[in-house]
Amino acid sequence: TQLLEQSPQFLSIQEGENLTVYCNSSSVFSSLQWYRQEPGEGPVLLVTVVTGGEVKKLKRLTFQFGDARKDSSLHITAAQPGDTGLYLCAGATIGGGSNYKLTFGKGTLLTVNP
Amino acid sequence: KAGVTQTPRYLIKTRGQQVTLSCSPISGHRSVSWYQQTPGQGLQFLFEYFSETQRNKGNFPGRFSGRQFSNSRSEMNVSTLELGDSALYLCASSLVAYRGRYNEQFFGPGTRLTVL
Repeated sequence: TQLLEQSPQFLSIQEGENLTVYCNSSSVFSSLQWYRQEPGEGPVLLVTVVTGGEVKKLKRLTFQFGDARKDSSLHITAAQPGDTGLYLCAGATIGGGSNYKLTFGKGTLLTVNP
Repeated sequence: KAGVTQTPRYLIKTRGQQVTLSCSPISGHRSVSWYQQTPGQGLQFLFEYFSETQRNKGNFPGRFSGRQFSNSRSEMNVSTLELGDSALYLCASSLVAYRGRYNEQFFGPGTRLTVL
């Protein structure tokens, strides 16, 4: 069973602060995705990282995939109240034939206070 | 382009009843996946359908079943409901017919099921 551990589980910060969310596993993933979910809505894909060591930036958000493709981090610079939400990481594994699977972490609930 | 739609959005049932949830994928998407989301367990994969065939299945009891129609719309059914089945049920559709590494999934808003 592949598990993705996200930390911290909860994070409450003030507007303008920086933060980092971590996603760790003992398993290797072919790719890793980050989603954000707002109350009453489904998760929305933010980014997919594929190559070990890859870094992707999306405005104030920086995503990194670990060299061994087992872990990832999401760094937010100068957080804003609009960044509030549940951040989920999901690791993709592809086996033989039709054995594709996306395993989600339990998420980090971020609250950015004005 | 319309997103993934799920109906109903909210549902209240009692123990022992059965329930059917519906999902309409984005037009042109042929893969539909179902997930259960609870505060304690997070997002857990139920099953995936592609071209009316179940292609992958998570670790849920047989009370959870699904199907996909020729127009790619999907339904999931839960029989003999238990209190622990209370959750947000999410449907996600995907365009990629052959599963490469970029299998972007687009989620619907979910159906909030409460079992009393």
